[in-house]
Amino acid sequence: AQRVTQPEKLLSVFKGAPVELKCNYSYSGSPELFWYVQYSRQRLQLLLRHISRESIKGFTADLNKGETSFHLKKPFAQEEDSAMYYCALTNQAGTALIFGKGTTLSVSS
Amino acid sequence: KAGVTQTPRYLIKTRGQQVTLSCSPISGHRSVSWYQQTPGQGLQFLFEYFSETQRNKGNFPGRFSGRQFSNSRSEMNVSTLELGDSALYLCASSSSGATYEQYFGPGTRLTVT
Repeated sequence: AQRVTQPEKLLSVFKGAPVELKCNYSYSGSPELFWYVQYSRQRLQLLLRHISRESIKGFTADLNKGETSFHLKKPFAQEEDSAMYYCALTNQAGTALIFGKGTTLSVSS
Repeated sequence: KAGVTQTPRYLIKTRGQQVTLSCSPISGHRSVSWYQQTPGQGLQFLFEYFSETQRNKGNFPGRFSGRQFSNSRSEMNVSTLELGDSALYLCASSSSGATYEQYFGPGTRLTVT
């Protein structure tokens, strides 16, 4: 079964500290993985895709097929990073997203 | 381009009633997907429509249904509402249905009392 697990409901860090949001997945075949972010009172939006291998707003995520993980990392957290983060993968048909339950990141000064 | 719009933004219904939610995709987008967001279950896929055809359906009871019109606008209907249907319902549109292209709307907050 396809599944995404985000073990932490809440992650609280201080400004300037490194951040790692964990994501593990279960999938048969080659998954397409994403991180989505939802800032307060804003729409859910795509942060990054594993295929693009980009760094967006200082965040990166590496797909580790051996550990079936796709953790989101940022070396120095900023207060504006405070948001809900969802890890997701695409279903076999490629037309639906399967989301984890999300992790709230709280960055304080 | 205007973003995805959803109406109404807030809705209060009582158990047993039915409700219809509307989603207008970004101009030119032919695919509309619907998701339910709850604190307990997170975001769960309901269904996806492309050019008026349902292509994919999530694991929800038959009380949840949808349709898409020729102008790509989509509606979802929930019949015989239950308290557990209280949620934020999100729709997302894309030109082809590819998930990485999906743009999400602001959602409709449904409260069932």
